[in-house]
Amino acid sequence: DGGITQSPKYLFRKEGQNVTLSCEQNLNHDAMYWYRQDPGQGLRLIYYSQIVNDFQKGDIAEGYSVSREKKESFPLTVTSAQKNPTAFYLCASSKTEYALRYGYTFGSGTRLTVV
Amino acid sequence: AQSVSQHNHHVILSEAASLELGCNYSYGGTVNLFWYVQYPGQHLQLLLKYFSGDPLVKGIKGFEAEFIKSKFSFNLRKPSVQWSDTAEYFCAVNVENQGAQKLVFGQGTRLTINP
Repeated sequence: DGGITQSPKYLFRKEGQNVTLSCEQNLNHDAMYWYRQDPGQGLRLIYYSQIVNDFQKGDIAEGYSVSREKKESFPLTVTSAQKNPTAFYLCASSKTEYALRYGYTFGSGTRLTVV
Repeated sequence: AQSVSQHNHHVILSEAASLELGCNYSYGGTVNLFWYVQYPGQHLQLLLKYFSGDPLVKGIKGFEAEFIKSKFSFNLRKPSVQWSDTAEYFCAVNVENQGAQKLVFGQGTRLTINP
């Protein structure tokens, strides 16, 4: 079945450590996105990538980094510079020319807790 | 900057009551609008979308939404809710910036249906 896989589902890290969240899709989608979900704030865009080896900052990119070396993969690194890293992180993808008609496909998310 | 505003943070209804969730956006260009739903413990799913044509769109599970361009609104409605509609609902607008598309989400509305 095609879809987006985010791993792990739950992640715990100590403060000051960098951590990388995985996002893989087998939908042959061109564009991939990372959102952060916090209660009462909805989903806020961290980074997005329309094509391989290219990505853009979203609304809250500070303290995060990404790479897009393969079409299928868009890992997100939460660095120690991120002030409030504890959150639910969602990865999404879309076929660029179909995004308007079909929206995005979302993964099941990774809940990161920094202690 | 583009933004989406959902007026109700938490709505509590009894089964069979009618539902209307508000959504307003600020974006001057052509818009494509979406409602997503997140059931407890599940990933985000597309409920319905508007990109052109009839401003009254129908989605899954008896939901509908009306795009009113003059009011910059895209409110979600359902005539008679069920306990299984308990979920979080997100309004989103697809915007294009320098050739790249991204979804901007509202804060979300948590809907609780009492049996």
